[in-house]
Amino acid sequence: TQLLEQSPQFLSIQEGENLTVYCNSSSVFSSLQWYRQEPGEGPVLLVTVVTGGEVKKLKRLTFQFGDARKDSSLHITAAQPGDTGLYLCAGHNAGNMLTFGGGTRLMVKP
Amino acid sequence: DVKVTQSSRYLVKRTGEKVFLECVQDMDHENMFWYRQDPGLGLRLIYFSYDVKMKEKGDIPEGYSVSREKKERFSLILESASTNQTSMYLCASSLGRDSEAFFGQGTRLTVV
Repeated sequence: TQLLEQSPQFLSIQEGENLTVYCNSSSVFSSLQWYRQEPGEGPVLLVTVVTGGEVKKLKRLTFQFGDARKDSSLHITAAQPGDTGLYLCAGHNAGNMLTFGGGTRLMVKP
Repeated sequence: DVKVTQSSRYLVKRTGEKVFLECVQDMDHENMFWYRQDPGLGLRLIYFSYDVKMKEKGDIPEGYSVSREKKERFSLILESASTNQTSMYLCASSLGRDSEAFFGQGTRLTVV
C-alpha cells in the first residue's frame, strides 16, 4: 500500500486568511491529484500535477508537486466561505491504482 | 459530460444479507474503482478494475467481491453484510493512468 498522509486533518479559519494543506508519502507517484468534496457529493478534480517541482495555479489556489514526486501542497490565498469543503489528495501508482489521503476538512467562517 | 451512476443513494440491509451495489459509467473508461468513505479515514480503495473481467484488490478487500462483466458496469458485492460495513460507498471511473477520476454520488449503506 502506498500511503498518503494529509495534514492538517481539520482547519477552521476566518475569511481572508491564507492556508496551506500538505500531502506526504514515502512513495514516488507518477502523478498527484487534488480533489474537493462537498457534502452529499462525490469528489471533483481540482488539478493534476505530473512533473517534479511543478506549480499550478487555479485562481486563489496554488498547487505544488515536490521535486521527488513524493509530496504535494495546496495553498489557498484569501480564503472565502465558498472554499469550505473536504480536500483530498490522491496518487496514481505504476499500475493505475488511485489511492487517496485521509483528507483535510476546511471551514472558512465569514 | 461523463456520468457515473450508482444504483441507490441510500440502502438499509440486515446483517448476513448479500448486498449488491451497482455502478455504471457512460464514457467507455478503462478503469473503475470502488471506495468506502468513513469519517476521518478519507477514501479507502476496496477493489479496482482495469478491464472487463480484470480486478485487483485494494487496501481493504476483506468481506467484499466485485464483478465486471461489461466495460461500463462494475458491481460491488457484500457476501454477508456486517454492521462494520456500514459506510458511504463511492464508485469512480477514469480513462487511464494519471487521468481524472469521475465519481458517482455515493451509496450510504446501513447494515442493521
